[in-house]
Amino acid sequence: TQLLEQSPQFLSIQEGENLTVYCNSSSVFSSLQWYRQEPGEGPVLLVTVVTGGEVKKLKRLTFQFGDARKDSSLHITAAQPGDTGLYLCAGAETGGYQKVTFGTGTKLQVIP
Amino acid sequence: NAGVMQNPRHLVRRRGQEARLRCSPMKGHSHVYWYRQLPEEGLKFMVYLQKENIIDESGMPKERFSAEFPKEGPSILRIQQVVRGDSAAYFCASSSGQGPQETQYFGPGTRLLVL
Repeated sequence: TQLLEQSPQFLSIQEGENLTVYCNSSSVFSSLQWYRQEPGEGPVLLVTVVTGGEVKKLKRLTFQFGDARKDSSLHITAAQPGDTGLYLCAGAETGGYQKVTFGTGTKLQVIP
Repeated sequence: NAGVMQNPRHLVRRRGQEARLRCSPMKGHSHVYWYRQLPEEGLKFMVYLQKENIIDESGMPKERFSAEFPKEGPSILRIQQVVRGDSAAYFCASSSGQGPQETQYFGPGTRLLVL
């Protein structure tokens, strides 16, 4: 079973601060997704990264896939209260159908 | 993800009863995945189905749990003789294909509470 560990597990910051969430594994993934989940809802896809070393930007969010495709990071610049939520990384196994392994999650709270 | 429908959104059962969770995938999607999420945790894969076929049920307990995706109608996750430990949020996702880069779109989930 492939494991994806996220850090930190919990993060509480003031509005306007920057933050980085990490997603690490000893396994190689063919692709990695980041989701945000709000209370009472399902995860919503933010981005998919496929190529080792790939960097994608989505407004104030920057996603990076490690060169070896084993890890990823999510950086948020100037966090807003609307960024509050549970951030989940998810890796798709190499070579197979899309069996996705989810990370342990990072719960972010942005205080106004 | 707004296209994936799950019902009911909330389900309360007493120990020993049966729970049936339904999932209608996005239009045009023939691949369905079920996940379970405990509070403050990530999602755990349970089962992957295509129309009329179970492809991978390695994450699903062998007893009391079953899943189906008939030719017509929604996918059903069935839990027999529920126990308190079954209380969780159950999410279904659908995709149009099975490749590693196919995006899974999630429904809003069914929150099961076993009393």
